[in-house]
Amino acid sequence: QVQLQESGPGLVKPSETLSLTCTVSGSSVSGYYWSWIRQAPGKGLEWIVYKYHTGTTNYNPSLKSRVTVSVDTSKNQFSLMLSFVTAADTAVYYCARGKSNGFGLALEHWGQGSLVTVSS
Amino acid sequence: DIQMTQSPSPLSASVGDRVTITCRANLRISNYLNWYQQKPGKAPELLIYAASSLQSGVPSRFSGSGSGTDFTLTISRLQPEDFATYYCQQSYMVPHTFGQGTKLEIK
Repeated sequence: QVQLQESGPGLVKPSETLSLTCTVSGSSVSGYYWSWIRQAPGKGLEWIVYKYHTGTTNYNPSLKSRVTVSVDTSKNQFSLMLSFVTAADTAVYYCARGKSNGFGLALEHWGQGSLVTVSS
Repeated sequence: DIQMTQSPSPLSASVGDRVTITCRANLRISNYLNWYQQKPGKAPELLIYAASSLQSGVPSRFSGSGSGTDFTLTISRLQPEDFATYYCQQSYMVPHTFGQGTKLEIK
């Protein structure tokens, strides 16, 4: 059974860097696409990035300049860093495993989400 | 960015009803369309991928159709556990944008 678990600070100060880790069990990070998605309180879903374990990475252009992602095959983890955060970055952050199906990527396994609040 | 517009929102229905949610893209996206269900306080769950393929483990009362710019998610006979918010998502072009969501409420 594939399980994803996000972890990281729940509170980040403005202008600092948000860091989250997604620990994967029941699946190797190798051979799959990994994504981050976020959801501001009471709002819809916003796709942030996806990364294939070997390197192919695609970003939401609106966040690209502030986003860094990495895959650690030794720890079976996928990580997100978002720099220079503001209150607008307050959201529940989800990691997800993507399934490539011939018609793009579908997010078939999700973590339970990690609420990150940006506040001083 | 490709804009995805869902309708209606919200949607009121009763247990046993057949309901249809529509998702429209402002650009042709072939079959690069996914549907998700999200319940309050929970992560989204994949229902349909590639516009019409049912994700493993999802009840057969869920179905998807469409291609190009217009897509539908149909629930053939609503069950109590189906009252949730539904999102479409295109994966044709980065960023993989979501619709604004359709909240399915009990009438």
